[in-house]
Amino acid sequence: ILNVEQSPQSLHVQEGDSTNFTCSFPSSNFYALHWYRWETAKSPEALFVMTLNGDEKKKGRISATLNTKEGYSYLYIKGSQPEDSATYLCATRGGSYIPTFGRGTSLIVHP
Amino acid sequence: DADVTQTPRNRITKTGKRIMLECSQTKGHDRMYWYRQDPGLGLRLIYYSFDVKDINKGEISDGYSVSRQAQAKFSLSLESAIPNQTALYFCATSDSTVSYGYTFGSGTRLTVV
Repeated sequence: ILNVEQSPQSLHVQEGDSTNFTCSFPSSNFYALHWYRWETAKSPEALFVMTLNGDEKKKGRISATLNTKEGYSYLYIKGSQPEDSATYLCATRGGSYIPTFGRGTSLIVHP
Repeated sequence: DADVTQTPRNRITKTGKRIMLECSQTKGHDRMYWYRQDPGLGLRLIYYSFDVKDINKGEISDGYSVSRQAQAKFSLSLESAIPNQTALYFCATSDSTVSYGYTFGSGTRLTVV
């Protein structure tokens, strides 16, 4: 089982602030990394699936980078809006195709 | 209709009762999964199935069983519910490559009293 750590555990920012958080994982036996956005009372929704070292993905104001050699991924949100408030989950997969999830970063954006 | 449907959405049951949580999907995916989420913890895998004839235990399978009735249906049973099984349960599906990540159901909030 891969040990996936996310930091910070929670984050409060003001509307318009840019923010980022981290997912750390063992760099050995890495196959893929997933980011999910999980709004309260809803189900997690996939944001990005990343596999290659140096990968960068972008969806609107949200982007992610991946460093498989040192075992981390960053998720960035530019100009945070209240609707960005959610828990952001990271999951990594080794060769078994079964992801291991981190505990998530809870983001609250204040108007 | 949702791609992954879980029933019931909420359930309160008594200790010792048998309960079944159901999951159906319209994605046409072969792979289905059951996770539980507890406050402060990540999603933990209970069971997973890569096709109708394939069932595998996950990280925390004790006290649970599953049935893959068809490609589209994957049920989770608690044979004799206990209070520490109170949690939010998610069903998820994926294709064989998981290139697009998982598709999750809306969750079942189970309380065992």
